[in-house]
Amino acid sequence: SQQGEEDPQALSIQEGENATMNCSYKTSINNLQWYRQNSGRGLVHLILIRSNEREKHSGRLRVTLDTSKKSSSLLITASRAADTASYFCATDLLGGKLTFGKGITLSVRP
Amino acid sequence: GAGVSQSPSNKVTEKGKDVELRCDPISGHTALYWYRQSLGQGLEFLIYFQGNSAPDKSGLPSDRFSAERTGGSVSTLTIQRTQQEDSAVYLCASNLQRGANNEQFFGPGTRLTVL
Repeated sequence: SQQGEEDPQALSIQEGENATMNCSYKTSINNLQWYRQNSGRGLVHLILIRSNEREKHSGRLRVTLDTSKKSSSLLITASRAADTASYFCATDLLGGKLTFGKGITLSVRP
Repeated sequence: GAGVSQSPSNKVTEKGKDVELRCDPISGHTALYWYRQSLGQGLEFLIYFQGNSAPDKSGLPSDRFSAERTGGSVSTLTIQRTQQEDSAVYLCASNLQRGANNEQFFGPGTRLTVL
């Protein structure tokens, strides 16, 4: 079964609105990462949050991590049409390899 | 600098044939990973190389799958006697080292279609 599971599976918002995506996982982690994928091909790393961190910002991105609830959220503020993509959370269990969820499809309407 | 490259970008093969997929990691990256992504799904870990250590093969779905990494750089994923369920996008990633909290850098993938 998937270590990380994102919620919702699909999200459609208007340009300028904020998008919030959630991820839950099952076992203790070293860090949690969020990736974006366009057109079903290569993934682009967005942000990494370590297990001893609670919140991190990068530009319009804000990620939170609650290790007690084994959950994370990714907030994209002031969304743009170019943010339309699939978003994946991935957990690093200190083995090097990442375990991915099934992803969230975000559509930003112009 | 150059990113991770993969070839071919697309491969169509007949059931039962063998295929080889190639990955060129970012120069200097000691860790290399292969993942598989079926249509509409997340990424499934296949195999992980770290320096000269024995690879972590725990994700390979069957003995028809194998991979090697020559000279600590280029890697080849081989699928023997391909089956239709092998159809997927095969993604390669690399990063600096194990356990360093480093992001993984992904290639564009090889889309494999088994007829």
